[in-house]
Amino acid sequence: DTAVSQTPKYLVTQMGNDKSIKCEQNLGHDTMYWYKQDSKKFLKIMFSYNNKELIINETVPNRFSPKSPDKAHLNLHINSLELGDSAVYFCASSLGQNEKLFFGSGTQLSVL
Amino acid sequence: SQQGEEDPQALSIQEGENATMNCSYKTSINNLQWYRQNSGRGLVHLILIRSNEREKHSGRLRVTLDTSKKSSSLLITASRAADTASYFCATDENNFNKFYFGSGTKLNVKP
Repeated sequence: DTAVSQTPKYLVTQMGNDKSIKCEQNLGHDTMYWYKQDSKKFLKIMFSYNNKELIINETVPNRFSPKSPDKAHLNLHINSLELGDSAVYFCASSLGQNEKLFFGSGTQLSVL
Repeated sequence: SQQGEEDPQALSIQEGENATMNCSYKTSINNLQWYRQNSGRGLVHLILIRSNEREKHSGRLRVTLDTSKKSSSLLITASRAADTASYFCATDENNFNKFYFGSGTKLNVKP
């Protein structure tokens, strides 16, 4: 069983479109995250949720909206996609704060 | 904002040799973690070292932490071709539930 799964694995879309990435964890963790990895492999935190509550929002444009329907799911919706949004987006979870992270396999987003 | 910065950016060694990667950070931390990323995959946790620890071992991995110098090192002994991957350190900000990563060290182990 995959611990942290995210879909889709690849997403190719046109500028201006709206898209969503889904994430689910079956580890029973309380905290979930979205990270963005750019072309230089730099990994940057975007959001963190603890028990469905937003606890970190790292200066991300408000075109990005996370949604956590329950503590096992954290989805990422992106409006009006821009070229600069092209990156690999990783979902992760942890048992609690300041604990080790379990990552999904990533969603490679290409905006044309 | 605080970030872990890995050094070197790339490292190429022969199988059987040891590989050492370094990480520097800027502010105080609760813990520091090392992760591995194979090409096209997600990150996998390797080891966590807390701020009151100086050294930790896990199999062929040895991690040291020097909080006075705000630095850590990851040593992989007797490297194998399968160790080829990118290695990242992640640091938290004291009392904040954030982990900051750098851009990693790309390790190539030649068979």
